[in-house]
Amino acid sequence: AQSVTQLDSQVPVFEEAPVELRCNYSSSVSVYLFWYVQYPNQGLQLLLKYLSGSTLVKGINGFEAEFNKSQTSFHLRKPSVHISDTAEYFCAATTRGGTSGSRLTFGEGTQLTVNP
Amino acid sequence: DADVTQTPRNRITKTGKRIMLECSQTKGHDRMYWYRQDPGLGLRLIYYSFDVKDINKGEISDGYSVSRQAQAKFSLSLESAIPNQTALYFCATSDSWTYEQYFGPGTRLTVT
Repeated sequence: AQSVTQLDSQVPVFEEAPVELRCNYSSSVSVYLFWYVQYPNQGLQLLLKYLSGSTLVKGINGFEAEFNKSQTSFHLRKPSVHISDTAEYFCAATTRGGTSGSRLTFGEGTQLTVNP
Repeated sequence: DADVTQTPRNRITKTGKRIMLECSQTKGHDRMYWYRQDPGLGLRLIYYSFDVKDINKGEISDGYSVSRQAQAKFSLSLESAIPNQTALYFCATSDSWTYEQYFGPGTRLTVT
């Protein structure tokens, strides 16, 4: 069974500072990886996804993530955050192919708070 | 109009009552899911359906049941609600290729 661990439950940063939200996964097979964002009182919205190919994935709102197979990590980064980036961020994984494909396993979430 | 809609958006009910949460989608996806979100636990899968005739239990299905009335509709029922089912419930859909899931706005359920 796969698992996803987000290493920080809360990350406070100042506006215009860089940020990294950490995510590790465990799986014995190849995976697809996702980052979702949840703004207050809203559903989840896809930020970016890694399916195959380049290990550096760019998403919406200036976010990017790097897939590191040897370290089983998929950390999310943004070089300069804005107040509007304040939200909860979820890392998720699913195994490739078969009938289990598309069943997402989510991490616990990281609350990013951007302060002025 | 939203691609994935959930009704109701908020619901307060009493212990022992039966309650149904409804989900509709206009994305034409075959796959639909129900999750619950609890603080510090992320989202956990309750049930999922890959088509109208294929319904599967997720990791926390006890106390819940589902019905896939059509490709576009997937309902979640709590047969006899209990307080620890107080949570935020999300419906999601996906296609069979990219595995990207599209989420509804959520239903906040409180069981007193």
